Amino acid sequence: KAGVTQTPRYLIKTRGQQVTLSCSPISGHRSVSWYQQTPGQGLQFLFEYFSETQRNKGNFPGRFSGRQFSNSRSEMNVSTLELGDSALYLCASSTGQETNYGYTFGSGTRLTVV
Amino acid sequence: SQELEQSPQSLIVQEGKNLTINCTSSKTLYGLYWYKQKYGEGLIFLMMLQKGGEEKSHEKITAKLDEKKQQSSLHITASQPSHAGIYLCGAARRAGGTSYGKLTFGQGTILTVHP
Repeated sequence: KAGVTQTPRYLIKTRGQQVTLSCSPISGHRSVSWYQQTPGQGLQFLFEYFSETQRNKGNFPGRFSGRQFSNSRSEMNVSTLELGDSALYLCASSTGQETNYGYTFGSGTRLTVV
Repeated sequence: SQELEQSPQSLIVQEGKNLTINCTSSKTLYGLYWYKQKYGEGLIFLMMLQKGGEEKSHEKITAKLDEKKQQSSLHITASQPSHAGIYLCGAARRAGGTSYGKLTFGQGTILTVHP
């Protein structure tokens, strides 16, 4: 079955702009989690969506937002970009069931803010 | 301090050598994941451990979970250049509430294997 698809793979944006990243989970998976990875902070959890509802949120400013559609695809939006937002953004797909079943990650979107 | 501490931070070995990476948690583990990452790419799932004493193997990689010690180890036997990359452990906390969809990761172990 197809894996987790993230688009685009690379993005270059200017400070102050906004950006939207997309994540299509594995077919049948209803949960999508988003992470930011930077050399200094490592992998940090942004938020998780399940059946179009945000169930969990990390410690990021309100400039970071997301949503999930009825087909479980998710988008993440960052407004008013700052240089520090440059990072690899990863999404993970899972069934979202109570018991930990496994998280499959996409290849990521590399965002560079200049 | 970090919730998950990995050791060593980096490791350089000669091809054919065995090696072990450790992951220690400061909190109770309800699930421990091991992933491998090539620089700038996504995470490749290796193994998931849920029960104390559980041990899983895939090809030349074995992972164990010591629930009492809140620690997991990843052991590679007869390392190959293809094993090179960043190894990350991720912890799942009790399901529900602030744990939904969230893994807390260690800082990673960079493995280099010289031919």
